[in-house]
Amino acid sequence: DSGVTQTPKHLITATGQRVTLRCSPRSGDLSVYWYQQSLDQGLQFLIQYYNGEERAKGNILERFSAQQFPDLHSELNLSSLELGDSALYFCASSETLLGGELFFGEGSRLTVL
Amino acid sequence: AQSVSQHNHHVILSEAASLELGCNYSYGGTVNLFWYVQYPGQHLQLLLKYFSGDPLVKGIKGFEAEFIKSKFSFNLRKPSVQWSDTAEYFCAVNAGYGGATNKLIFGTGTLLAVQP
Repeated sequence: DSGVTQTPKHLITATGQRVTLRCSPRSGDLSVYWYQQSLDQGLQFLIQYYNGEERAKGNILERFSAQQFPDLHSELNLSSLELGDSALYFCASSETLLGGELFFGEGSRLTVL
Repeated sequence: AQSVSQHNHHVILSEAASLELGCNYSYGGTVNLFWYVQYPGQHLQLLLKYFSGDPLVKGIKGFEAEFIKSKFSFNLRKPSVQWSDTAEYFCAVNAGYGGATNKLIFGTGTLLAVQP
């Protein structure tokens, strides 16, 4: 158990819909990262928040957005879903911005039908 | 942009065989390097990491990796694999970014199957 909690574990929805994925980082970790894992793209970095502020952005679509709340949990919002958005979405957390290991949650598997 | 290449996509070995998985990265500055493992149905777990110092780093479960700066490589090795090593292995790099972020860029992964 990494200490990073993600909900829901599985989600099935239809094209055009909107979903929210939630992540609770390890106790004391200020930084949260979102990654998308798909068969064709591998593990792609989406976005990082540190203590409530966006720190880095990767290949995140405009239809996707994220935020980190004062209690440090984070949510990834995916809207106008397409079939290609089906993937495993991982959240990770780390204590600091410098070096350090990322601790990953078990992921949220999204299936868009 | 930084990138990480893993040359082997699928590797099949028999138990007790030696393992070497290749990893190359493209970034000329200071990097932190990682190997993560993902067992079937589980989250990514850190195997080992290199920040500085001895370029030969030892990790958990008998794994080690060697950082060769001149070759931009960070290959993962294990002298004798076990069936329980069956998993997907990811190489990752943190290029520092001047302290602004420590996001990791991952390679495409290598799926290792160890046959008993």
